[in-house]
Amino acid sequence: AQSVTQLGSHVSVSEGALVLLRCNYSSSVPPYLFWYVQYPNQGLQLLLKYTSAATLVKGINGFEAEFKKSETSFHLTKPSAHMSDAAEYFCAVSRMNRDDKIIFGKGTRLHILP
Amino acid sequence: ETGVTQSPTHLIKTRGQQVTLRCSSQSGHNTVSWYQQALGQGPQFIFQYYREEENGRGNFPPRFSGLQFPNYSSELNVNALELDDSALYLCASSLDRSARGNEQFFGPGTRLTVL
Repeated sequence: AQSVTQLGSHVSVSEGALVLLRCNYSSSVPPYLFWYVQYPNQGLQLLLKYTSAATLVKGINGFEAEFKKSETSFHLTKPSAHMSDAAEYFCAVSRMNRDDKIIFGKGTRLHILP
Repeated sequence: ETGVTQSPTHLIKTRGQQVTLRCSSQSGHNTVSWYQQALGQGPQFIFQYYREEENGRGNFPPRFSGLQFPNYSSELNVNALELDDSALYLCASSLDRSARGNEQFFGPGTRLTVL
């Protein structure tokens, strides 16, 4: 069975500071891993995904994430936070070579402090 | 290229009623997945349709049912509505069901409130 754990339902960082959102996964088969962002009253938008190529994945809006198999982690980072980054972020996992059903974490709300 | 659209955007129903939510997939996409997102939670997988056939189902009771049409648009039907069905219902389409990490493109959702 697959699962995703996001540490911290709320994270606050100052504008210009490093953003780090934590995600740990559990999967019985090699996983695909995703980070999605959700702005208020909108659907989800894909930030980046890991599909067994490079372990360091670069996404949109300056975000990146590193797949660490030994730590079963896929943490999301951005060197310098911007006010527009305030949103809900979801880590998700699906099963490689099976189908594309996605299991989501509970989300982390990112607050940017001026 | 038209993205994923959902209708209606908001809906208010009472307990015991039935509701139908609609989704138009992105052009060229033959797979549609439905998710329920309760307040403060991540999306929960309801079911997926691939070329008009159900291709997997999450832990939802049979009163949640769906359809996919030849043009790959889809409906989610919920019978005998309960208060806990109040949520944002998200539709996502993808290019294929093959598991190569195909991106799912999400619609804006339908906000269902059950009174």
